[in-house]
Amino acid sequence: DQQVKQNSPSLSVQEGRISILNCDYTNSMFDYFLWYKKYPAEGPTFLISISSIKDKNEDGRFTVFLNKSAKHLSLHIVPSQPGDSAVYFCAASAGKIIFGKGTRLHILP
Amino acid sequence: EAGVAQSPRYKIIEKRQSVAFWCNPISGHATLYWYQQILGQGPKLLIQFQNNGVVDDSQLPKDRFSAERLKGVDSTLKIQPAKLEDSAVYLCASSGGYGFGEKLFFGSGTQLSVL
Repeated sequence: DQQVKQNSPSLSVQEGRISILNCDYTNSMFDYFLWYKKYPAEGPTFLISISSIKDKNEDGRFTVFLNKSAKHLSLHIVPSQPGDSAVYFCAASAGKIIFGKGTRLHILP
Repeated sequence: EAGVAQSPRYKIIEKRQSVAFWCNPISGHATLYWYQQILGQGPKLLIQFQNNGVVDDSQLPKDRFSAERLKGVDSTLKIQPAKLEDSAVYLCASSGGYGFGEKLFFGSGTQLSVL
C-alpha cells in the first residue's frame, strides 16, 4: 500500500527552464510534507517542506505547492541548474515519515 | 557541526551470515531512525528511537533484524541471518525532536550486498 506516490521515475529539463516534480498521497492524516534531494553515494538531504495548513512555501529557487483537495503536491525549481541533477524524494508525515519512490531529475546543458 | 556518521560504507556477505551496522547521530539529537532503501524504492522506516526508547518498529522484521540505542546516543542495527532480499542501503537519520514536520538529517548509508 503506497501512501506517497511519485509516478514519474525520471524527468529531463533544459538548464534555465522550470523543473516540476509531482507527488500524490492517499492518507488525509498527513500533516506535513517534505522534499529531499539525493546525490549518488550520499544520504538524502532536506530541501523544503510545507505544512498542511498552507498551500505554498518558497525558498529561493524552490517552491512547493500543496493541493489538499486533490491530495497532490509539486516542487518547482526555477531556474534549473546542472547541480539540481539528483533524485528527489517526496515525503509525508503523520508522526512517522513515509517516502515516495523518487524521481530522477536530469538537467540538460 | 558534524553530521550523522555511519559505518561501514559497504558490506558484502553471504546469505545466512550476520552483519551489524553502526550509527552515531548528530550531537544532541533525541530521535534516531533506521531506514532501508532497496534499489529503485524510497527509504522505508525500519525503526525509530526517541532517546533510547523505541517509538515505532512496526516494519522491522523482528525474526532477523534487531536494533538498539544504548544511552540514547549511538545505535546498532543487526541482521541475523541475512537473506538475499536484505540487499539494500541502510540509512541512519537523526532529528532534534519528534513528529510534526521533523527535518531528518541522514548519514551516507551502508550498502549491503547479500550473495
